[in-house]
Amino acid sequence: EPEVTQTPSHQVTQMGQEVILRCVPISNHLYFYWYRQILGQKVEFLVSFYNNEISEKSEIFDDQFSVERPDGSNFTLKIRSTKLEDSAMYFCASSEIAGYYEQYFGPGTRLTVT
Amino acid sequence: DQQVKQNSPSLSVQEGRISILNCDYTNSMFDYFLWYKKYPAEGPTFLISISSIKDKNEDGRFTVFLNKSAKHLSLHIVPSQPGDSAVYFCAASVGNEKLTFGTGTRLTIIP
Repeated sequence: EPEVTQTPSHQVTQMGQEVILRCVPISNHLYFYWYRQILGQKVEFLVSFYNNEISEKSEIFDDQFSVERPDGSNFTLKIRSTKLEDSAMYFCASSEIAGYYEQYFGPGTRLTVT
Repeated sequence: DQQVKQNSPSLSVQEGRISILNCDYTNSMFDYFLWYKKYPAEGPTFLISISSIKDKNEDGRFTVFLNKSAKHLSLHIVPSQPGDSAVYFCAASVGNEKLTFGTGTRLTIIP
């Protein structure tokens, strides 16, 4: 069964460093998303991406964040200068179409900022 | 932001009995609802969904009920099995792609 994959599974970085989290969505899916879950809190939407551009972003997704689909298979989330409060599980998701259709989630990347 | 609420942080149910997980929402614009199951160190796994034009959707052991006037949905699992032990999240959207999640309910199935 097709699945969303994410690498790395765990990333430790120092405050102020740049990190890139990678995702390979399901191959025939056209809509891509990033969510995060801070320990003990709910899963929060960060950004959605379609047709090589951002279609929606939350207030969390500030100028420190960017997304890219550098080739036909990868979808990346970059945090330019990490802060302690960026420590969280980051989940990538994809869906075949937008709206009224389920999103499939990857296993997540645990980001720890020290 | 408490647009989607799951008021029971945990629930224990005997194996073979029915598990009922509840979710309330405040945004009347939500028109698509989903349930996800999550094991530790894994991503959410899609279980079942319902659009606002329906009041019930069934898939095997899982049934979701939607009460729009009460802004309430529930997930019924029958019969409950030990493998159902996980955290269950409800999520909602306004017909677009952004999902708003609840805080989750930890379901424990007692053998």
